[in-house]
Amino acid sequence: NAGVTQTPKFQVLKTGQSMTLQCAQDMNHEYMSWYRQDPGMGLRLIHYSVGAGITDQGEVPNGYNVSRSTTEDFPLRLLSAAPSQTSVYFCASSPSWTTDTQYFGPGTRLTVL
Amino acid sequence: GQQLNQSPQSMFIQEGEDVSMNCTSSSIFNTWLWYKQDPGEGPVLLIALYKAGELTSNGRLTAQFGITRKDSFLNISASIPSDVGIYFCAGPVRTGFQKLVFGTGTRLLVSP
Repeated sequence: NAGVTQTPKFQVLKTGQSMTLQCAQDMNHEYMSWYRQDPGMGLRLIHYSVGAGITDQGEVPNGYNVSRSTTEDFPLRLLSAAPSQTSVYFCASSPSWTTDTQYFGPGTRLTVL
Repeated sequence: GQQLNQSPQSMFIQEGEDVSMNCTSSSIFNTWLWYKQDPGEGPVLLIALYKAGELTSNGRLTAQFGITRKDSFLNISASIPSDVGIYFCAGPVRTGFQKLVFGTGTRLLVSP
């Protein structure tokens, strides 16, 4: 198993550009989530999904869209990037929303100029 | 929203020393989770606590669920260089684990 994979590892965008951060897992996990990590603030939940076709907002959803058309993939879309979205983004998955253990991907470091 | 405050913010210790860190909340949690993040990696779950007063160990790590349910503590005994990283507490904001709130983190540096 590859676990949770994220692409790209690094990305630089200009303000106003759009892009999609990719996340995939090969563990047949129902639950997937996206976090952003900023210095001194820990991880904050952006969006999550408890199964294919179901998504919901986390703590900081503004400026981000998600969809979950398959169990394996949970892409995060930035429609119009802003410098405030400069951060490290982590995707995580777990067998279900009732499971305490989440498996995190290696992260994507995004810089918006 | 709910906030988890961790202290200390960072620690620089010598190999072999014991380490203590804590996490406090303004509201009650029914579960406390402790994660470790190695440099350049995603966090990994170390210990999960489910009951007030519970004390749980994982090797040299011991975590406690505070009696008030508003705090939790993590101790690392006989630290080694690979303990370097950021330690986060986390808790679910509702029944189940679909929405977690994370603490601000304690950065640990260990000198050989």
